[in-house]
Amino acid sequence: EPEVTQTPSHQVTQMGQEVILRCVPISNHLYFYWYRQILGQKVEFLVSFYNNEISEKSEIFDDQFSVERPDGSNFTLKIRSTKLEDSAMYFCASRPRQGLVTEAFFGQGTRLTVV
Amino acid sequence: AQKITQTQPGMFVQEKEAVTLDCTYDTSDPSYGLFWYKQPSSGEMIFLIYQGSYDQQNATEGRYSLNFQKARKSANLVISASQLGDSAMYFCAMRELIYNQGGKLIFGQGTELSVKP
Repeated sequence: EPEVTQTPSHQVTQMGQEVILRCVPISNHLYFYWYRQILGQKVEFLVSFYNNEISEKSEIFDDQFSVERPDGSNFTLKIRSTKLEDSAMYFCASRPRQGLVTEAFFGQGTRLTVV
Repeated sequence: AQKITQTQPGMFVQEKEAVTLDCTYDTSDPSYGLFWYKQPSSGEMIFLIYQGSYDQQNATEGRYSLNFQKARKSANLVISASQLGDSAMYFCAMRELIYNQGGKLIFGQGTELSVKP
């Protein structure tokens, strides 16, 4: 069964460093998302991406964050200068098409720890 | 205002019994979808079941069913015949159609379910 793949599964970085979280969505999917989950809290939307551009972003997704789909298969989230409060689980998700019915398929997540 | 509310931070259920996890939602969008996801301790998000705002019947998927009461804006998940492997965090989520071009999901706070042997 096709799945969304995220790498790495766990990343530890020093405050102020740049990190890139990588995702390979399911191949025929058209809509891509990043969500984050601070430990013990709910899952929060960061950004949605369609047709090679951001379609929506949350207030969390400030200038420190950026997304790219550099080669038609990978979908990356970059945090330019990490802060302690960026420590969280980051989930990538994808959907095949627009509409209500299609569920988002989530990757297994990348646990980011900023020290 | 919270769009998705799960009022039960934690629930216990005896193995083989049924359990209901509550979810209420708030939207002015006439078209929306409601989803339940399971998050085991390993962390991944597993899709369980979906209910559309125009669906006449409650959704069912194996041991999972969704008790959809549109007028009360509730979409409770019912798990029948609980198993030890059902112990996990459960999230209710909503996707609006008109006010949400990107198709994002809005999640509730989650309910941690523990199944006792």
